[in-house]
Amino acid sequence: DSGVTQTPKHLITATGQRVTLRCSPRSGDLSVYWYQQSLDQGLQFLIQYYNGEERAKGNILERFSAQQFPDLHSELNLSSLELGDSALYFCASTPWTTHGEQFFGPGTRLTVL
Amino acid sequence: ILNVEQSPQSLHVQEGDSTNFTCSFPSSNFYALHWYRWETAKSPEALFVMTLNGDEKKKGRISATLNTKEGYSYLYIKGSQPEDSATYLCARGGSNYKLTFGKGTLLTVNP
Repeated sequence: DSGVTQTPKHLITATGQRVTLRCSPRSGDLSVYWYQQSLDQGLQFLIQYYNGEERAKGNILERFSAQQFPDLHSELNLSSLELGDSALYFCASTPWTTHGEQFFGPGTRLTVL
Repeated sequence: ILNVEQSPQSLHVQEGDSTNFTCSFPSSNFYALHWYRWETAKSPEALFVMTLNGDEKKKGRISATLNTKEGYSYLYIKGSQPEDSATYLCARGGSNYKLTFGKGTLLTVNP
């Protein structure tokens, strides 16, 4: 158990809908990263937050947004969902913005029908 | 090299065999090289983080080396065991803090 929690574990929804994925980092970790794992793709970096502020952005679609709250938990919002958004979404945390090891949550499996 | 590439894509070995995988990455603006172990139905777990050219790290039967000048890292597993079966991911950290992951090497160790 890495100490990072993600909810829900599984999510099944329809095209055009909007969902919110939640991540709670390890106690004391200030930095949260979001990743997408699609079929036949490596882990794709989406976005990073550090202590409430966006720090780095990757291949995140405009239909997706994220935020980190004062209690350091983070939410990833996915809207106007398409079939291709079906994937495993991970969040990871680190104590601060460094190149140190990241601690991954168990992931949320999103299925868009 | 523009992306992080891992080879082989998959590997089957017998219990007791030693094996190694390769991770190739862009050497410019390099900050760190990560190795993660990802077991089925679990989340990736960090093995090593290396930053300096020539770094070598070891954890039990697993070790890794880093060459930042030519942009590659090797992961070695000595005396593979069935519990070593997993996908091994490498990721390159650049100056913008984000990690770029390879697609991984799937290792299956047959008893």
